[in-house]
Amino acid sequence: SAVISQKPSRDICQRGTSLTIQCQVDSQVTMMFWYRQQPGQSLTLIATANQGSEATYESGFVIDKFPISRPNLTFSTLTVSNMSPEDSSIYLCSVDDYADSTDTQYFGPGTRLTVL
Amino acid sequence: AQTVTQSQPEMSVQEAETVTLSCTYDTSESDYYLFWYKQPPSRQMILVIRQEAYKQQNATENRFSVNFQKAAKSFSLKISDSQLGDAAMYFCAYGAGGTSYGKLTFGQGTILTVHP
Repeated sequence: SAVISQKPSRDICQRGTSLTIQCQVDSQVTMMFWYRQQPGQSLTLIATANQGSEATYESGFVIDKFPISRPNLTFSTLTVSNMSPEDSSIYLCSVDDYADSTDTQYFGPGTRLTVL
Repeated sequence: AQTVTQSQPEMSVQEAETVTLSCTYDTSESDYYLFWYKQPPSRQMILVIRQEAYKQQNATENRFSVNFQKAAKSFSLKISDSQLGDAAMYFCAYGAGGTSYGKLTFGQGTILTVHP
């Protein structure tokens, strides 16, 4: 299965600032996704990071707030812009990987963001 | 839109015993996938088991097995011979097929406690 790393693992930020989260995969993957997990909640899909084109956002998420880059098949970034305390969450990237004759989705270790 | 419901916020089991976690989902699609993920306090999302909707045979992975009832839209996880390391939050997830392939919808999660 794909090995996924994220940077930073955690951060504490001031409101009004922005943070860029990096996701690196050890193999080329077609599909990469970004999820948010608010405290004590489940995971919610933010967007699909498309290589070579703009990300596709889910309802309730917009590019101005969560700009995403996908410069190649192994790397993506998610920026949380103009942060407020409500943005305090764990942000996880996910990839679709083909292993053992099946496609499945694997997750990075997550980035824990606290906004003061 | 697809929805996933986990009706058990918390479950507990004695070490070496068996426990079943419930999950129901709602979809009008015929092509989809179902997953169980485990999230320990480290927050890493770990894939436990995967089931394709077109397969009638229930998936198994060592001590983990599912009871997939497609007509009832039910997808329960059975953990046999429970171990202390099984303690975690368990999420049921629905994966769309077709053009939405790779996007996951998660249930609310079930916290599993394992007593020695």
